[in-house]
Amino acid sequence: AQKITQTQPGMFVQEKEAVTLDCTYDTSDPSYGLFWYKQPSSGEMIFLIYQGSYDQQNATEGRYSLNFQKARKSANLVISASQLGDSAMYFCAMREGRSSSNTGKLIFGQGTTLQVKP
Amino acid sequence: ETGVTQTPRHLVMGMTNKKSLKCEQHLGHNAMYWYKQSAKKPLELMFVYSLEERVENNSVPSRFSPECPNSSHLFLHLHTLQPEDSALYLCASSQDLGRGYEQFFGPGTRLTVL
Repeated sequence: AQKITQTQPGMFVQEKEAVTLDCTYDTSDPSYGLFWYKQPSSGEMIFLIYQGSYDQQNATEGRYSLNFQKARKSANLVISASQLGDSAMYFCAMREGRSSSNTGKLIFGQGTTLQVKP
Repeated sequence: ETGVTQTPRHLVMGMTNKKSLKCEQHLGHNAMYWYKQSAKKPLELMFVYSLEERVENNSVPSRFSPECPNSSHLFLHLHTLQPEDSALYLCASSQDLGRGYEQFFGPGTRLTVL
């Protein structure tokens, strides 16, 4: 069973507008962490934001915020005021607390390609 | 140098060659990882090292051989590869293995096997 699902292969957004990238996850572990990474065409994966399963508030980092809906098992990334430099591939990832506590294993989704239009 | 560096950035090799990928982290982290990213597939974890000890070997063929001589360096030795091994190989490090520790990635080595 796929543990991380990103249903949007590609997205377009107008510069300066906000965009939401979807991510749903599946786990029976009560303790887990959710991550979003950005991968520009250069290939490097850049860490954006983290949400812990026990965190009461949605995570925010500058223009990035995570819309965490635990009951729905969704962790959507919201990018506000899009910039041309935001054009990249975005990956949602999960680390389960129990099964990966000894390995640090991150499970990645398929990714969403975001293109920001001027 | 800062962060995680990888060399070479690009590598073309024949199926009978032997080559090595190098990763170095300058973050003082305890854990290091190798990932494979093939076209149109999610990142696949290959190996995990914590304090120079291998803690995960994710059913990777023996033609890939990792080596971690110290907590700052990680190698991936390659021999008799197949064309389907062509991919982007990413190295990452994290402070520790716990669920809250983000992984910092290097720029990757784009490998082409002819």
